[in-house]
Amino acid sequence: AQKITQTQPGMFVQEKEAVTLDCTYDTSDPSYGLFWYKQPSSGEMIFLIYQGSYDQQNATEGRYSLNFQKARKSANLVISASQLGDSAMYFCAMREGLPYTDKLIFGTGTRLQVFP
Amino acid sequence: KAGVTQTPRYLIKTRGQQVTLSCSPISGHRSVSWYQQTPGQGLQFLFEYFSETQRNKGNFPGRFSGRQFSNSRSEMNVSTLELGDSALYLCASSVDSNTGELFFGEGSRLTVL
Repeated sequence: AQKITQTQPGMFVQEKEAVTLDCTYDTSDPSYGLFWYKQPSSGEMIFLIYQGSYDQQNATEGRYSLNFQKARKSANLVISASQLGDSAMYFCAMREGLPYTDKLIFGTGTRLQVFP
Repeated sequence: KAGVTQTPRYLIKTRGQQVTLSCSPISGHRSVSWYQQTPGQGLQFLFEYFSETQRNKGNFPGRFSGRQFSNSRSEMNVSTLELGDSALYLCASSVDSNTGELFFGEGSRLTVL
């Protein structure tokens, strides 16, 4: 069965420092997609970054990068130069291998707190 | 460009009642999916619709139902509400590409008393 594991319930980082949020996944399907979302206290889920299982290079989006290690089944999110506004819950998610489906399996999340 | 709009944002119901939540996707998006978020169970997939057809369904009882209209707007309904249905209900829409990028709304927070 597909599964996403986020082992860090909470993380602290000082402003302007980099932080890595861990995510491991389990699937037997060769075709899958991995996502990271940010959820501030308002509740909205904000898309951050996507990595396809066949992508050769690690995905990057501005200050966000995804450290994709396929053999280890890990998809860690790296946030460079943290900002106070980065304080939020962060969720890792996986899309099943079926094409054209919006069904995501989410991890339990990591609460990131950025301090001055 | 307007984002995903969910209404109502907050609502309070009592056990046994029913509730209908609405989701307007981003213009041009044809796929709409629904998720339930609770402190105990986390984020769980409810169902997804594409071109007015339910394409996938999560493991929820039949009290949870949904539909999609020709303009891609979607509604979900929960009948005979239980205390455990208290949750944040999130709607997401996508163009329906293989990138699977989903844009979420701010959610509808349901409290069942």
